[in-house]
Amino acid sequence: NAGVTQTPKFQVLKTGQSMTLQCAQDMNHEYMSWYRQDPGMGLRLIHYSVGAGITDQGEVPNGYNVSRSTTEDFPLRLLSAAPSQTSVYFCASSLQLDTEAFFGQGTRLTVV
Amino acid sequence: KNQVEQSPQSLIILEGKNCTLQCNYTVSPFSNLRWYKQDTGRGPVSLTIMTFSENTKSNGRYTATLDADTKQSSLHITASQLSDSASYICVVSAPYDYKLSFGAGTTVTVRA
Repeated sequence: NAGVTQTPKFQVLKTGQSMTLQCAQDMNHEYMSWYRQDPGMGLRLIHYSVGAGITDQGEVPNGYNVSRSTTEDFPLRLLSAAPSQTSVYFCASSLQLDTEAFFGQGTRLTVV
Repeated sequence: KNQVEQSPQSLIILEGKNCTLQCNYTVSPFSNLRWYKQDTGRGPVSLTIMTFSENTKSNGRYTATLDADTKQSSLHITASQLSDSASYICVVSAPYDYKLSFGAGTTVTVRA
């Protein structure tokens, strides 16, 4: 059982480049979300989805885009990378609104 | 303002010793409180989840307590092992709200 799988694990981008972080889960979870983790701060919600075709903004959505065409996949797109987006990104999924969240292993992104 | 505050920020303990981590929150009303363990370079992994009606929950050598009246929780690690070296994150959820509130974490280092 793979759980939540994120790719890539590491990425270096130049300012202005775009890219997509991939997230897939095989637990048939309805709820999926993207977080960023910065030193000394708690995880901050970027975007989330409560089911296929439904997405909403979190706390820090600017510069990021998401879509949810299937239950399994929830990609995060960086439209035009900026150094402020250097961070570690985590994808998470949960069965219900208020149940345990399972996290992927993270993507460490550096924007130069 | 962060609604979940953890203390201490970091601590060092000797293998075999016990330690207690603190979490104070202001989220109200709240649905449940979770403790996660995050190893370096990995995603958070759930240790315990407690609803407002529970005041203690154990997972092996990890015991979490909750005082919903004072909005405080603690995580006690018994007979620490080198593998307990990690960041421990307190997370609080509110009813009908997918946006979890994360503490910044306590980094625990266990030394032989």
